[in-house]
Amino acid sequence: GQNIDQPTEMTATEGAIVQINCTYQTSGFNGLFWYQQHAGEAPTFLSYNVLDGLEEKGRFSSFLSRSKGYSYLLLKELQMKDSASYLCAVRGDSNYQLIWGAGTKLIIKP
Amino acid sequence: GAGVSQSPSNKVTEKGKDVELRCDPISGHTALYWYRQSLGQGLEFLIYFQGNSAPDKSGLPSDRFSAERTGGSVSTLTIQRTQQEDSAVYLCASTRSRISPRETQYFGPGTRLLVL
Repeated sequence: GQNIDQPTEMTATEGAIVQINCTYQTSGFNGLFWYQQHAGEAPTFLSYNVLDGLEEKGRFSSFLSRSKGYSYLLLKELQMKDSASYLCAVRGDSNYQLIWGAGTKLIIKP
Repeated sequence: GAGVSQSPSNKVTEKGKDVELRCDPISGHTALYWYRQSLGQGLEFLIYFQGNSAPDKSGLPSDRFSAERTGGSVSTLTIQRTQQEDSAVYLCASTRSRISPRETQYFGPGTRLLVL
């Protein structure tokens, strides 16, 4: 079957760094997405990885290892507004469907 | 507005009633998705529309669920004879096309449905 695993919840301190992991098992692979979803709001796109390696975008970076079926989202210099759920999604062998993880709720403490 | 809009934002209904949820995609976006998001669960795919092609209804959980997209734009998701397990957030997303694997989905704010 197809499966995406993420931790349910993580806690970090303002100003620190946090890494949110995502492992996947899918039939086919055509890229991995990270979305951010604040409570009661729409998910918004953060990053897309299709090749191995690290992609940096400001305070947020996303890493992919296709051979390990593994990705992580790295958030630096955490701010209170980063408190949200972070959703990992994989495009497998479908050219339009994404397979979604349950999301990781990130709690930032002062 | 420039984004995906959904209405109503909240809906409380009694078990057994029918509900209609509406989605207005971003202008020019040819692809439209409906998802269901339950507490602590990932996004559950319901249905996909692409242009004038036949929709992919493979994610609809039962025959009580149906959706249509008129004129290639606005979409309506209808749930008949609602059950308490239908309580969830229903999200709509649109994309420009399905051609590129990196095509980003743009989400609406969702409709929070509570069936009493």
